[in-house]
Amino acid sequence: QQPVQSPQAVILREGEDAVINCSSSKALYSVHWYRQKHGEAPVFLMILLKGGEQKGHEKISASFNEKKQQSSLYLTASQLSYSGTYFCGTDSGGGADGLTFGKGTHLIIQP
Amino acid sequence: DAGVIQSPRHEVTEMGQEVTLRCKPISGHNSLFWYRQTMMRGLELLIYFNNNVPIDDSGMPEDRFSAKMPNASFSTLKIQPSEPRDSAVYFCASSPPSNEQFFGPGTRLTVL
Repeated sequence: QQPVQSPQAVILREGEDAVINCSSSKALYSVHWYRQKHGEAPVFLMILLKGGEQKGHEKISASFNEKKQQSSLYLTASQLSYSGTYFCGTDSGGGADGLTFGKGTHLIIQP
Repeated sequence: DAGVIQSPRHEVTEMGQEVTLRCKPISGHNSLFWYRQTMMRGLELLIYFNNNVPIDDSGMPEDRFSAKMPNASFSTLKIQPSEPRDSAVYFCASSPPSNEQFFGPGTRLTVL
């Protein structure tokens, strides 16, 4: 089942912060975060694993609440380059499985 | 290092024709994934392979779709016969055992 992302869209001024949420109805092994710009492929940002391990982008942070089956992506001091669509992808199978993606959150950063 | 390579980048074909999409994963990655992206349905997993073996093809829409991975450096996704509703961007992604997936540039398929 597809994870639910919120909000659907965000408009920020450069330098402002944003939080994007991802919620699943299934128990999760890992949550992956990607950013996609128009006409391009999704780019890996971060992976959060059951048990607390995290890997990813230095300037982006995220949390993973295993009990609530939720993850949040934190974008601080946003830059123009952060604009794009953010997807969370969930893996319930135990690792190295295909991902089920949310519908995405559209982020627009204005100068 | 070269990323995931997909070909062709764009494909326009007529309904009923066979379409073959190709993917070369990143060297050393042991998992390969095929995804499809449309405005209506978003990003959907079609099939994935671990160590060249298909693990889950439950996302393949119907028998018109087939995928193969004859070796660690090559995979194909075939649609035969193609239909207009197959129009989408098809992404191939690969991952090492540490799980983060790296996407190729995609193939934009238009079926007329």
